[in-house]
Amino acid sequence: KAGVTQTPRYLIKTRGQQVTLSCSPISGHRSVSWYQQTPGQGLQFLFEYFSETQRNKGNFPGRFSGRQFSNSRSEMNVSTLELGDSALYLCASSPDKRSEKLFFGSGTQLSVL
Amino acid sequence: QKEVEQNSGPLSVPEGAIASLNCTYSDRVSQSFFWYRQYSGKSPELIMSIYSNGDKEDGRFTAQLNKASQYVSLLIRDSQPSDSATYLCAVYNNNDMRFGAGTRLTVKP
Repeated sequence: KAGVTQTPRYLIKTRGQQVTLSCSPISGHRSVSWYQQTPGQGLQFLFEYFSETQRNKGNFPGRFSGRQFSNSRSEMNVSTLELGDSALYLCASSPDKRSEKLFFGSGTQLSVL
Repeated sequence: QKEVEQNSGPLSVPEGAIASLNCTYSDRVSQSFFWYRQYSGKSPELIMSIYSNGDKEDGRFTAQLNKASQYVSLLIRDSQPSDSATYLCAVYNNNDMRFGAGTRLTVKP
């Protein structure tokens, strides 16, 4: 079984731009969660989707948004990028909506200049 | 107060020793507890889960949970250099998983 696939692997953007990150979960997994990882803060929860519905959202500004498609693939979007948005963005999938056991992708490393 | 707290380390132990990693959490109604291992430049991977008070052993790893003290720990026996990684404590509650910042462990040969 293929693992969680995130694209792109690396991104360099400038302040004010927007960015879209993609995540394909493990086949058969219907829940997708997104996390931001920075050296000082660790993993910060962004949001979780199940069956195209956002089930939970972390404490991030409205510039961070996401969606899930009918094939369970998910995208997250960050608008009006700020320097502080530079981080590793990790996507994790799980088989069902009780997302206890997470399977992580390799992440997208975003650098905002 | 952070929801999940860990000593960031680094924690350094000699090969063959026991490494002890600790985690506290703030929400008393938390239901499930996990340890993830993250090698440098890699994504986190689940290594242990524990749901009830007491100890749970899996090979060289033992997870310990004390809900009254809101405390979770991970013991790694006979530590190996390949155990050198960051260990993330995670707590599941109310439909989302919250992570600690991680403890960096170095096992010296």
